[in-house]
Amino acid sequence: GAVVSQHPSWVICKSGTSVKIECRSLDFQATTMFWYRQFPKQSLMLMATSNEGSKATYEQGVEKDKFLINHASLTLSTLTVTSAHPEDSSFYICSARDPGGGEAFFGQGTRLTVV
Amino acid sequence: QQQVKQSPQSLIVQKGGISIINCAYENTAFDYFPWYQQFPGKGPALLIAIRPDVSEKKEGRFTISFNKSAKQFSLHIMDSQPGDSATYFCAASIITSGTYKYIFGTGTRLKVLA
Repeated sequence: GAVVSQHPSWVICKSGTSVKIECRSLDFQATTMFWYRQFPKQSLMLMATSNEGSKATYEQGVEKDKFLINHASLTLSTLTVTSAHPEDSSFYICSARDPGGGEAFFGQGTRLTVV
Repeated sequence: QQQVKQSPQSLIVQKGGISIINCAYENTAFDYFPWYQQFPGKGPALLIAIRPDVSEKKEGRFTISFNKSAKQFSLHIMDSQPGDSATYFCAASIITSGTYKYIFGTGTRLKVLA
């Protein structure tokens, strides 16, 4: 299947700092990318949908000023967690939709720990 | 109406047995139904997917059965192996306001006993 690369796989940061997570589609151009948050033993919670070249669409309850999403090219979307706090600690996963077949492929996920 | 209900929440199967996970949906606008496998600490991996014009799709030991009239679909894992132990998510895709969205089930934790 198609490859979506997410980086870093884990990060520890101090409270109040910002963290950037990258998501790249390696072998297809993704017009749509998704960002999810997953709590232990739970399903994936969609945070936002990003379309290349336009503003991201955030789900209800997700602070767009805290979770900045940029989809500057057809192969790269970034999620920046600004002024991170311990409650932002979670597993963040990106997904990219292959417009050819319609499948959505996931990155490896990023474990964020805010101390 | 955009929910996807998944059951069971957890499942224990003997090695060599058949694992069956079920999902149900309400919105007939869903047009694509994938299944994902997730190991701890990893992102979900696409296993197999089906579109509503097909009633069954098989790939290796994995089969999706799709019942359009009942609005249900299921994943069958034949000859289950300990390496299949993971969390499985069903999903359904829909276009809303010109953007694709994937709705996920709540997940099934499968454990295959050696």
